[in-house]
Amino acid sequence: DGGITQSPKYLFRKEGQNVTLSCEQNLNHDAMYWYRQDPGQGLRLIYYSQIVNDFQKGDIAEGYSVSREKKESFPLTVTSAQKNPTAFYLCASSRLPGQGSYEQYFGPGTRLTVT
Amino acid sequence: GQSLEQPSEVTAVEGAIVQINCTYQTSGFYGLSWYQQHDGGAPTFLSYNALDGLEETGRFSSFLSRSDSYGYLLLQELQMKDSASYFCAVVMRGNTPLVFGKGTRLSVIA
Repeated sequence: DGGITQSPKYLFRKEGQNVTLSCEQNLNHDAMYWYRQDPGQGLRLIYYSQIVNDFQKGDIAEGYSVSREKKESFPLTVTSAQKNPTAFYLCASSRLPGQGSYEQYFGPGTRLTVT
Repeated sequence: GQSLEQPSEVTAVEGAIVQINCTYQTSGFYGLSWYQQHDGGAPTFLSYNALDGLEETGRFSSFLSRSDSYGYLLLQELQMKDSASYFCAVVMRGNTPLVFGKGTRLSVIA
């Protein structure tokens, strides 16, 4: 079964600690994305990548970092510099727009709580 | 910049029809998508419109008017399980990621 996995589902951290959220896909998609969702809010783009070893900042990249060493994997690190890290984090993947499909596939999300 | 407007909340009765509107202001518009998200879950793709007109998929239909920068999602024969948030998202030209609206929370009541 093809899909996107995110782990863990729930994550608790103390303020001042960096934390890395995992995202893996076996859909053979070139593009991967990280979104942040706060209660009652839409999806805000943190980072995206369209090719291995390359990524671009989204609208709210400050306090976050990513890597794309493999096509299948796009981990997100929430650093201590992120002022308000408690949120629901969603990873997604898709074909590149020129490949004829505009659908994004989402993972189940990681709910991060920082106290 | 890009902006999308959709109502924050809509309530409708089971069995009825509901329309969720989305207006957008973007440069480089290519098409409009709709996603459904149940509480605590992941968004799932519902539809995509690149051309003007209505696209029907079962109980759900989506409409686009490029000249009016407007689209809507139409849900028919509402069921309780349709209670969820619905997001419109603009597909941009080039290799630019989707731009999502803030979502409309639909509550279906008996």
